[in-house]
Parts: sequence; structure tokens; C-alpha cells
Amino acid sequence: KAGVTQTPRYLIKTRGQQVTLSCSPISGHRSVSWYQQTPGQGLQFLFEYFSETQRNKGNFPGRFSGRQFSNSRSEMNVSTLELGDSALYLCASKLGTASQETQYFGPGTRLLVL
Amino acid sequence: GESVGLHLPTLSVQEGDNSIINCAYSNSASDYFIWYKQESGKGPQFIIDIRSNMDKRQGQRVTVLLNKTVKHLSLQIAATQPGDSAVYFCAEILHSRLTFGEGTQLTVNP
Repeated sequence: KAGVTQTPRYLIKTRGQQVTLSCSPISGHRSVSWYQQTPGQGLQFLFEYFSETQRNKGNFPGRFSGRQFSNSRSEMNVSTLELGDSALYLCASKLGTASQETQYFGPGTRLLVL
Repeated sequence: GESVGLHLPTLSVQEGDNSIINCAYSNSASDYFIWYKQESGKGPQFIIDIRSNMDKRQGQRVTVLLNKTVKHLSLQIAATQPGDSAVYFCAEILHSRLTFGEGTQLTVNP
């Protein structure tokens, strides 16, 4: 069974631009979560989607948004990029909504904002 | 706010030795804990988990210990190998989301 896939793997943008990242969960998994990883802040939760609905949201500004499609694939969007948005963006999937289910991570998209 | 943290940012061991990576958590209501391993250029990889009704769980070469009295979690790796070199994160389920600690960089010397 294929793991979580994320595209693109690397991205360079300039301040003020917007970016869309994509995540395909493990087949059969319906929950997708997004995380931001930076050296200074570590791994921080962005949001979680299940059945096309956002279930949980972290403490990020409204410039960060996401959505989930009927096939469970998810996208996240960052508008008006800032230098501080440079990070590794990780997607994780799990079967359902139970809190004690294992989340499996993708390889991440490394975003550099210049 | 409450968070999961690690005591040491780096740990260096000799190949074949046992490694112990520690983690302290602050939320006594947390009932599920996970250890992840992250190699350079990759996403976190699940290693082992433990629920709060247990104090020990063993996997292949790894053991997780949970001490709820002092809110402490540890990961023991037996016969550490060069391939074990990575950053290790403990995480807890808090408010239905994964909350990660800062990570410990494990370096295995040949």
C-alpha cells in the first residue's frame, strides 16, 4: 500500500505570493492533518480534515487555509507569503477520527520564501 | 501553554550500545503517547505508541516506558545501529491533536 504522498517536494516563492500544497493520504484513510515544521518552533499543528470538513484548527493566521476533496486528497493554501512561512509542511493521514489512531506522515513539502 | 518537551537536544552513542531518549510532558490528562523518528529529508516515521493505562510497551529493539506519576516518557533503543541516527520526537494527543516535543538528535558513532 502506497504511503502518504505530497507534491511538490520543493518550492521557492517570493513574499506576497500564494502557494498551494497537495497531499494524497494512504488509501482508505479519510483523515488528513497538516503540520508546519521549522527549526525554531518545531512541529506545529495547522488543521485536520475529515470527510471534507475541517475538524480541528491550530493557532495559525487566516492566511493558512485548507480543504479536502471527496477522495480524501487535501490541499493547503498560504496566501500573502511572509519570510517566516519558510518551513517544511507535513501532511499526515489516519483512518478515521479516533484520537488514538496512528498518524502516518508524508515526506513533506519544503517551502522557501524569498 | 502546556507542551511536550525533551530533556536533551542531542545524544551521541556508540554502535551496539543502548540508547535512552527522555521526554517530559505537562498535561496529566493526556492518555496517548507516540514516538516518531525523523531522518534527514523525510517525514516523521511512527516507531511505537503507548496508552496511559500501560507503563511499558515493547517493539522490535525499542521499548517505551511511561511514568504517569512524574509525567515522564522514555524511548529505549537496544543495540543501537548507524541507521538509528535521526531526530526522535515524543508526541501526545492533546485536544484531539498531536502535540510534539522539541526532538532529540541521536548520533550513532561507528
